[in-house]
Amino acid sequence: KAGVTQTPRYLIKTRGQQVTLSCSPISGHRSVSWYQQTPGQGLQFLFEYFSETQRNKGNFPGRFSGRQFSNSRSEMNVSTLELGDSALYLCASSLAGTETGELFFGEGSRLTVL
Amino acid sequence: GENVEQHPSTLSVQEGDSAVIKCTYSDSASNYFPWYKQELGKGPQLIIDIRSNVGEKKDQRIAVTLNKTAKHFSLHITETQPEDSAVYFCAAKATGGYQKVTFGIGTKLQVIP
Repeated sequence: KAGVTQTPRYLIKTRGQQVTLSCSPISGHRSVSWYQQTPGQGLQFLFEYFSETQRNKGNFPGRFSGRQFSNSRSEMNVSTLELGDSALYLCASSLAGTETGELFFGEGSRLTVL
Repeated sequence: GENVEQHPSTLSVQEGDSAVIKCTYSDSASNYFPWYKQELGKGPQLIIDIRSNVGEKKDQRIAVTLNKTAKHFSLHITETQPEDSAVYFCAAKATGGYQKVTFGIGTKLQVIP
């Protein structure tokens, strides 16, 4: 069974640009969550999507947005990039309906903002 | 919202020694506590979890303990091996409904051969 796939794995942008990251969940998983990982901040929750609907959102500015498609694939977008947006962005999928909701993470997209 | 504090942020142990990572949480509604291990260049992976109706759980060399009254939970790794070197995250979640997982800041464990 294929795992969670994130693309691109690495990217470099400059301040003011925008970026779109993609996540393909494990087949059958309908829930997709996004996290920002930075040294010293751990895993910060961005948002979660289920059946194309955002059902949870973290404390990030409106420059961070996401969406989910009918095939459960998800994208997140960051507009007007700032230096502080440099981070590893992790996507996790889970099998909706389980009580605990184990998260299966991809390897992440490492964004560097210059 | 939930707040999970984790310490230490870094931990170095000799191979064969034990390692302990401690976490506290704030939301009394949290009743599920997973631990994730992140190896270099990879995403975190669930290694063990515990629910609030259980005080301790073991899986070979790793164990978790939970004190729900004090809102503390800990990860114990015995007989550490070099492959245990990784970043470990504790987390808390309320089960049921659309509850998000809140992670601690992570502990970088280094096992010295």
